Amino acid sequence: AQTVTQSQPEMSVQEAETVTLSCTYDTSESNYYLFWYKQPPSRQMILVIRQEAYKQQNATENRFSVNFQKAAKSFSLKISDSQLGDTAMYFCAFEPAGANNLFFGTGTRLTVIP
Amino acid sequence: NAGVTQTPKFRVLKTGQSMTLLCAQDMNHEYMYWYRQDPGMGLRLIHYSVGEGTTAKGEVPDGYNVSRLKKQNFLLGLESAAPSQTSVYFCASSYDPASGGIRNQYFGPGTRLLVL
Repeated sequence: AQTVTQSQPEMSVQEAETVTLSCTYDTSESNYYLFWYKQPPSRQMILVIRQEAYKQQNATENRFSVNFQKAAKSFSLKISDSQLGDTAMYFCAFEPAGANNLFFGTGTRLTVIP
Repeated sequence: NAGVTQTPKFRVLKTGQSMTLLCAQDMNHEYMYWYRQDPGMGLRLIHYSVGEGTTAKGEVPDGYNVSRLKKQNFLLGLESAAPSQTSVYFCASSYDPASGGIRNQYFGPGTRLLVL
């Protein structure tokens, strides 16, 4: 069974500071993809960043970067220079290669404080 | 380019009523998906389709039916709504990885359904 765990239900960060959101997953698959999605109050699911398990280099998208530790099955998201628009729910998701299902964690609610 | 759109945005049903949710995408994606999101939980896959005329069950398919008569549309039906189906429903689409496209799922804005 594939499970994704986000152990931080809520977090807050001061504007312009850095915050890290945690995610762990459990799988017996060797090839898979990992994602972070952002869901602002509008409810729209927005892809923030993705990581292929076969790539050792951590993915980066502007202020967003990940720390992918395959052996530990850990996939954390770092947000640098936090902005008010980063306030949202953040979901970690896992997809085995060749499958047609994204497995989501329960989310972390991030609040950026002015 | 509208991406993924969903109709309606919000609906109230009485127990036992039926309804159909419509998802449309204009990105020529082969794959389409229906998820539900309940409070305190991540999204869970209901059904998906890997191409026109094909459908398959996801994690939580009971009480739902789907159809993919056209490549750009994916319909989710509730034949006899129950209060347990109160949820926010998301549609998504993606390329077929075999086509060489990047396999990211693009989501619609969601449909909030309340079953009384």
